[in-house]
Amino acid sequence: GAVVSQHPSRVICKSGTSVKIECRSLDFQATTMFWYRQFPKQSLMLMATSNEGSKATYEQGVEKDKFLINHASLTLSTLTVTSAHPEDSSFYICSASPVSSYNSPLHFGNGTRLTVT
Amino acid sequence: AQKVTQAQTEISVVEKEDVTLDCVYETRDTTYYLFWYKQPPSGELVFLIRRNSFDEQNEISGRYSWNFQKSTSSFNFTITASQVVDSAVYFCALRPNDYKLSFGAGTTVTVRA
Repeated sequence: GAVVSQHPSRVICKSGTSVKIECRSLDFQATTMFWYRQFPKQSLMLMATSNEGSKATYEQGVEKDKFLINHASLTLSTLTVTSAHPEDSSFYICSASPVSSYNSPLHFGNGTRLTVT
Repeated sequence: AQKVTQAQTEISVVEKEDVTLDCVYETRDTTYYLFWYKQPPSGELVFLIRRNSFDEQNEISGRYSWNFQKSTSSFNFTITASQVVDSAVYFCALRPNDYKLSFGAGTTVTVRA
């Protein structure tokens, strides 16, 4: 089955530093990947759509300069949280489909738990 | 706008009881997909099932079954003879034509031994 790998699984950083999270599709190519954010005991909120070779599309209210997304290849998308603050602490999870078709189930990475101290 | 409502926030049952999770959705698209995902305490999201808007055939897969009723915009999910390992948060999700997946708030299922 389709596997999405996300790294790191946990990261603790100091306020003001930047953190990069990687999302890889291991056995398929993904022209589109999605980044979600989940606060404790809440649902997943779509942050942005990552498009290979072009700029990401951000959802309303998500700061593009704060959350930098790069999708340089068909198997890798990265999310960089710049100048992190404690309120950025959250669970970040990426997803992708083997084909760019909305009837394909999205497969999710295992998520990254970010703690900013 | 798309909206997915899971009215039940938490359900607690004793092992071997059946559990039904409700999901109601809103969309203006005539073509869309519905999904159920499971999120165990470890955090990963596990895909359980998808249904397209034209397929109202209900399905049973092992202890899981789904009831899709387009007339009431509902896509309910039942776990039969629940087990402790079923304890997780279950999310219903809607994917319309724009490829984006919208999640419900989730229902936390706790199965007690």
